[in-house]
Amino acid sequence: DQQVKQNSPSLSVQEGRISILNCDYTNSMFDYFLWYKKYPAEGPTFLISISSIKDKNEDGRFTVFLNKSAKHLSLHIVPSQPGDSAVYFCAALAGGTSYGKLTFGQGTILTVHP
Amino acid sequence: KAGVTQTPRYLIKTRGQQVTLSCSPISGHRSVSWYQQTPGQGLQFLFEYFSETQRNKGNFPGRFSGRQFSNSRSEMNVSTLELGDSALYLCASSLGLAGGHETQYFGPGTRLLVL
Repeated sequence: DQQVKQNSPSLSVQEGRISILNCDYTNSMFDYFLWYKKYPAEGPTFLISISSIKDKNEDGRFTVFLNKSAKHLSLHIVPSQPGDSAVYFCAALAGGTSYGKLTFGQGTILTVHP
Repeated sequence: KAGVTQTPRYLIKTRGQQVTLSCSPISGHRSVSWYQQTPGQGLQFLFEYFSETQRNKGNFPGRFSGRQFSNSRSEMNVSTLELGDSALYLCASSLGLAGGHETQYFGPGTRLLVL
């Protein structure tokens, strides 16, 4: 039962353009969402997060949008840079007693071409 | 501030052996979570420790166990290794605040190969 889904295995964009990565979830108990970036054989690096009480959060080139009614979130990267090429994971937390349990999507491979 | 560290970085074992992996969290962080990453199953939650107590556990067999020490360092142990245990094992630390709405910071992982 895949509670967090990233339906696009890969995405290719040109340097300077916008990258949009999407994530859907099914568990209505999820109330905190995070995006991580990962290179092969390394641990995930935290990018940005959003609480379910918000619908948008920005940090530099990264913006996360949350649509609770659609159970959908997206990560926008503007402008995209070649160094952004990596695997991007969305992850979700259910508050309360779900201590430390991040539920991850399968990841999207982003390639930014110079 | 130093990040999360994991030792060893690489490990080769044979079926039936056991293995212990170590994780040192960011200074001041009291919660440590463990994850397994495989190509087929992705990133899956193993368990979480806070103040030497396991607070949450994922759907893994009892061969997977862990513990946490008073300095918040954590170890995980896998007994009777199977080929399918080959994976990247990641630990993550966080403050362990009540309510759970906080960021986890990951270590570089331990790559385990079971032959």
